[in-house]
Amino acid sequence: EVQVVESGGDLVQPGGSLRLSCAASGFTFSIYAMTWVRQAPGKGLEWVSSITNSGGVTFYADSVKGRFTISRDNSKNTLYLQMNSLRVEDTAVYYCAKPGIPMRIVAHFDNWGQGTLVTVSS
Amino acid sequence: DIVMTQTPLSLSVTPGQPASISCKSSQSLLHSDRKTYLSWYLQKPGQPPQVLIYEVSNRLSGVPDRFSGSGSGTDFTLKISRVEAEDVGVYYCMQNTQLPIAFGGGTKVEIK
Repeated sequence: EVQVVESGGDLVQPGGSLRLSCAASGFTFSIYAMTWVRQAPGKGLEWVSSITNSGGVTFYADSVKGRFTISRDNSKNTLYLQMNSLRVEDTAVYYCAKPGIPMRIVAHFDNWGQGTLVTVSS
Repeated sequence: DIVMTQTPLSLSVTPGQPASISCKSSQSLLHSDRKTYLSWYLQKPGQPPQVLIYEVSNRLSGVPDRFSGSGSGTDFTLKISRVEAEDVGVYYCMQNTQLPIAFGGGTKVEIK
């Protein structure tokens, strides 16, 4: 069974840092690009960042560029999101999403985790 | 950047009746590979989104055939032929023709 499970969400003060993880199983992780999508409380979905299957190329939304870093460890089947200089507006549930097409950086997402909640507040 | 606009914001439907959601993009979603990367998701209360339709009209395996997608260029539609109670939630369209990936604002579907 294909599964992605996020972890690492927490309450953090503005300006703080947090690292999210997404553990993948049930598919060949190393041939899929991966993506983080977030959802602020009561709001819609927002693309955050994507990474190619090898990890060699990364992409970011303007709202997080320079503050967030996406990475992956294919030997551990794990995706990461390092979040620095956190702001109140980064408060959201962060989802890890697997695309439905291998190798393709931009594709529909056929598997989503349950999400992990990041709360930025003093 | 491409902007996705969904209408209506909300929909209240009698079970067994049809429903339709519109999604418009600010630019054509036709990719250079001649495919159009527009997908539809349903987020049920308390759950992550789940894909229903990809590449405009392809239904994911296991998705009931009462769901259908259509459209081209910048105008797209999700139709539910006969709404059932389990269809409640928020529907999102998403363009993945180019980065940044963009979602529509969502359409909340409720049962009368």
